[in-house]
Amino acid sequence: DIQMTQSPSTLSAFVGDRVTITCRASQSISTWLAWYQQKPGKAPNLLIHKASNLESGVPSRFSGSGSGTEFTLTISSLQPDDFATYYCQQYNTYSRTFGQGTKVEIK
Amino acid sequence: EVQLVESGGGLVQPGGSLRLSCSASGFTFSNYAMYWVRQAPGRGLEYVAGIGSNGGSTYYADSVKGRFTISRDESRNALYLQMSSLRVEDTAIYYCVKDLYNTSPYASGSYWDLWGQGTLVTVSS
Repeated sequence: DIQMTQSPSTLSAFVGDRVTITCRASQSISTWLAWYQQKPGKAPNLLIHKASNLESGVPSRFSGSGSGTEFTLTISSLQPDDFATYYCQQYNTYSRTFGQGTKVEIK
Repeated sequence: EVQLVESGGGLVQPGGSLRLSCSASGFTFSNYAMYWVRQAPGRGLEYVAGIGSNGGSTYYADSVKGRFTISRDESRNALYLQMSSLRVEDTAIYYCVKDLYNTSPYASGSYWDLWGQGTLVTVSS
């Protein structure tokens, strides 16, 4: 199975900060990667698919990049609504593995 | 409205059984592979089971293989997860999830575009 490793596990930041989360795959997944945002008590919400394609309705401060084994999710200017946990997921293989999550906290 | 609504969660003793249901609406249910994903309290997301659009192909995570059965009923636009021999470590919120366009859980290249709100399963004595 492909393993997905996110870093950091927790991130503390101020409103307005630029934030970057990294997701690494144990083998190449091309650009078959999705990013989700999850708030407490809610289901995950799809932000980005195919590594860099923003879902409709997602603010443009979110962006994704990468291919192969290394990917990043960037929030250009952190807003109060962005404090949440973020997960990457590969869909290159049927095991569809998730990263362990990155919690973005208020500093 | 396009949505998935789970039901059937609750408290069950270790070794017991429970059946989860997911009601789909707003799209042609029979055209898509469907999945169950769970999240233990304070933990990350785990893909548990998937089923093809015709019900003919299924996938199970090793952690539930032989204990859980995924099925679907096209006439009811419903997805199910029959859980037996439940363990304390099966305690989680269980989400019903739709594939963007794949018809098989073994296909790749298609992400998951719709999630239900989840139903909580608690396994405890």
